[in-house]
Amino acid sequence: EPEVTQTPSHQVTQMGQEVILRCVPISNHLYFYWYRQILGQKVEFLVSFYNNEISEKSEIFDDQFSVERPDGSNFTLKIRSTKLEDSAMYFCASKKEGFAFFGQGTRLTVV
Amino acid sequence: GIQVEQSPPDLILQEGANSTLRCNFSDSVNNLQWFHQNPWGQLINLFYIPSGTKQNGRLSATTVATERYSLLYISSSQTTDSGVYFCAVEPGTSGSRLTFGEGTQLTVNP
Repeated sequence: EPEVTQTPSHQVTQMGQEVILRCVPISNHLYFYWYRQILGQKVEFLVSFYNNEISEKSEIFDDQFSVERPDGSNFTLKIRSTKLEDSAMYFCASKKEGFAFFGQGTRLTVV
Repeated sequence: GIQVEQSPPDLILQEGANSTLRCNFSDSVNNLQWFHQNPWGQLINLFYIPSGTKQNGRLSATTVATERYSLLYISSSQTTDSGVYFCAVEPGTSGSRLTFGEGTQLTVNP
């Protein structure tokens, strides 16, 4: 079965540092997403990406965040200057139509 | 935006028992998915079910789109069923994002 792959699985970073979270969506999918889940809370939408541009973003997705699809396979989320409250599980997802497939997540800890 | 409410928030069962989890949503939807979040935090797809009924082993789900709710049934529960169950919906009117409910924390005791 096809799957969405995320790397790394865990990342610890110092406050103020930049981090890049990487995702390889399913190859023939057209829509790409990032979600996050703060420990003990529900999963929240960050941003969606379609046709090489952001199609929708939430109020969480401020100027500290950016997304990129640098080549035909990778989809990245960059956090420019991490804050303690950015500590969360970050999920990448992709879909062709209807069914969204989620990656296994990257657990980001900001210290 | 669309509201998603899940009930109950917590459920404790003995192994072998059956359970029903509910998801209510406030508007029409294009997509509804059920997920199981395992102890490692991974979101496991259970069902894509914008309407109708589906079954997969001991799990089944029903969505009544006209009445804006979905039910997840777990029969003969096992300890490995423990975890958080999330319902997520994609509104019919705008965007393609999924909006998640707060989840149901299920604990199955041996």
